[in-house]
Amino acid sequence: DAMVIQNPRYQVTQFGKPVTLSCSQTLNHNVMYWYQQKSSQAPKLLFHYYDKDFNNEADTPDNFQSRRPNTSFCFLDIRSPGLGDAAMYLCATSRDGRGRAYEQYFGPGTRLTVT
Amino acid sequence: AQSVTQLDSHVSVSEGTPVLLRCNYSSSYSPSLFWYVQHPNKGLQLLLKYTSAATLVKGINGFEAEFKKSETSFHLTKPSAHMSDAAEYFCAVTGAAGNKLTFGGGTRVLVKP
Repeated sequence: DAMVIQNPRYQVTQFGKPVTLSCSQTLNHNVMYWYQQKSSQAPKLLFHYYDKDFNNEADTPDNFQSRRPNTSFCFLDIRSPGLGDAAMYLCATSRDGRGRAYEQYFGPGTRLTVT
Repeated sequence: AQSVTQLDSHVSVSEGTPVLLRCNYSSSYSPSLFWYVQHPNKGLQLLLKYTSAATLVKGINGFEAEFKKSETSFHLTKPSAHMSDAAEYFCAVTGAAGNKLTFGGGTRVLVKP
């Protein structure tokens, strides 16, 4: 089945130690998104890619970076995780929405714990 | 600019009774509207979407929603709740230009036996 895969499902990192979360997709969608979701809150968009075109949300901290080496893969890098970065990180994909709206398909998420 | 308000943060129903989750939106464009469900420690799964076609939209697992422009609402219903419906539900809106979703705050559904 076509799907969005996130690895690892659970990640524990130390305060200040860089961490990378990965996302891959078999849907061949050209738009990929990263969201941060804290407990009992709605997902918050961090950034998204239209193909290789990177779009950062205005309030995304500089501590968060992303890479998309090809259509299938996208990475979220947290350069110096703080305790406040502990959250579920969700990856999503969609077809190109410029001109009409397409639904997003979400991966299962990576739960990040910062110790 | 667009926004979504989910009117109930928690809803409790008995198994076999109807479920109603309320969502109001605000959008400068003709909106596309979505309902997603999230079970604990899982990603979001699309239940249904409205994209300017039929105003009554049927989704998966027996859910449906009605788009009412005059009321700026997109309420989600199910005639008979099942234990497996216990989850968090998110209403979301996107404008005509692109796919960026604006989510409501979520409604947590508890289903009692």
